[in-house]
Amino acid sequence: EAGVTQFPSHSVIEKGQTVTLRCDPISGHDNLYWYRRVMGKEIKFLLHFVKESKQDESGMPNNRFLAERTGGTYSTLKVQPAELEDSGVYFCASSRFTYSEQFFGPGTRLTVL
Amino acid sequence: GQQLNQSPQSMFIQEGEDVSMNCTSSSIFNTWLWYKQDPGEGPVLLIALYKAGELTSNGRLTAQFGITRKDSFLNISASIPSDVGIYFCAGQQGTGGTSYGKLTFGQGTILTVHP
Repeated sequence: EAGVTQFPSHSVIEKGQTVTLRCDPISGHDNLYWYRRVMGKEIKFLLHFVKESKQDESGMPNNRFLAERTGGTYSTLKVQPAELEDSGVYFCASSRFTYSEQFFGPGTRLTVL
Repeated sequence: GQQLNQSPQSMFIQEGEDVSMNCTSSSIFNTWLWYKQDPGEGPVLLIALYKAGELTSNGRLTAQFGITRKDSFLNISASIPSDVGIYFCAGQQGTGGTSYGKLTFGQGTILTVHP
């Protein structure tokens, strides 16, 4: 069974540009989460999808961040326009049920210059 | 918002030594989890705790869910070089509201093991 995959693994962009991160969860996992770790700090929750619906988006920093999960399969997280403070590692995780183990992807390292 | 205080921030130990790290919270969690992150990879679940007072082992790892549901510790016995990495505690509310599924993480403990 393939694990959670994320693309790209690294992205370096300039302030003001747009970046789109993609996450492919484990097949059959209805729950998909996005998290972010800014350098040296804790991993912070961004949002939670159940199938294609946003269950909880309380962690989204501001309206420059847009997450979608059309069809309830893969998800994208778009940052537009990117700011310096958006730099960090963005993790995606998926779980079959809400209370079952969350499996994490390897992350996308985003650097905004 | 909710915050987990994890300590220590980093540890440098000799191979064979035991390690202990802990997390405390001002909020109650219904599930406590311990993850390990290796370089270039995402966190991997080590131990999950579901009941207050629960003590669970996984090989050389032992973790406990505090009786107040506001703390947890992780012990690693007889450390080996491959234990190197970042260890994170995480809490999950698990009940009510819309935020029941999200994990709240501690700041991480960076473990270095010298051979």
